[in-house]
Amino acid sequence: DGGITQSPKYLFRKEGQNVTLSCEQNLNHDAMYWYRQDPGQGLRLIYYSQIVNDFQKGDIAEGYSVSREKKESFPLTVTSAQKNPTAFYLCASSTTISPLHFGNGTRLTVT
Amino acid sequence: AQRVTQPEKLLSVFKGAPVELKCNYSYSGSPELFWYVQYSRQRLQLLLRHISRESIKGFTADLNKGETSFHLKKPFAQEEDSAMYYCALRGSSNTGKLIFGQGTTLQVKP
Repeated sequence: DGGITQSPKYLFRKEGQNVTLSCEQNLNHDAMYWYRQDPGQGLRLIYYSQIVNDFQKGDIAEGYSVSREKKESFPLTVTSAQKNPTAFYLCASSTTISPLHFGNGTRLTVT
Repeated sequence: AQRVTQPEKLLSVFKGAPVELKCNYSYSGSPELFWYVQYSRQRLQLLLRHISRESIKGFTADLNKGETSFHLKKPFAQEEDSAMYYCALRGSSNTGKLIFGQGTTLQVKP
């Protein structure tokens, strides 16, 4: 079950703290994505990156930051500026023409 | 604007009944459409893409450009089909990103 690994599976943080979610892929895909999954709202795109050292904002980027220093890795930081950070976060990767391959997700709870 | 709409949050059918999960989209160009499925405690995975025109696990979906729809169908539902289903659209901008609908939970009762 290789492909995309997200860690940790569950994450708990206090309000006001930044937290970083890990996403690693060994599929040699150029593009990587972060989505947020909320009940009744589907998946919403946070950030995406088509190549190393480049990334673009998605539909709900406010309060989040990313980096893409290596092709294999695309970590997401949920900052204290994100007003409603408790959610299920999904990372995905693809080539420009292939379907997206998803990780198992990280469930973040902020109290 | 690009948009994917799945009008049903929950679809409940009995085993052996036909299933149709609706998906409508809004896009001015020529989109690529997908169906993804998320079984309980499993990762989101690709079920179908319209360019493949194949049947997976008995499911089919036809892109209707006139009605801007990509409904997912199966003639006889099985209990193991119970899952969350997402319709998704990829535009022609070559960014690779997908726009997802809100999702439909399919519940197949015995």
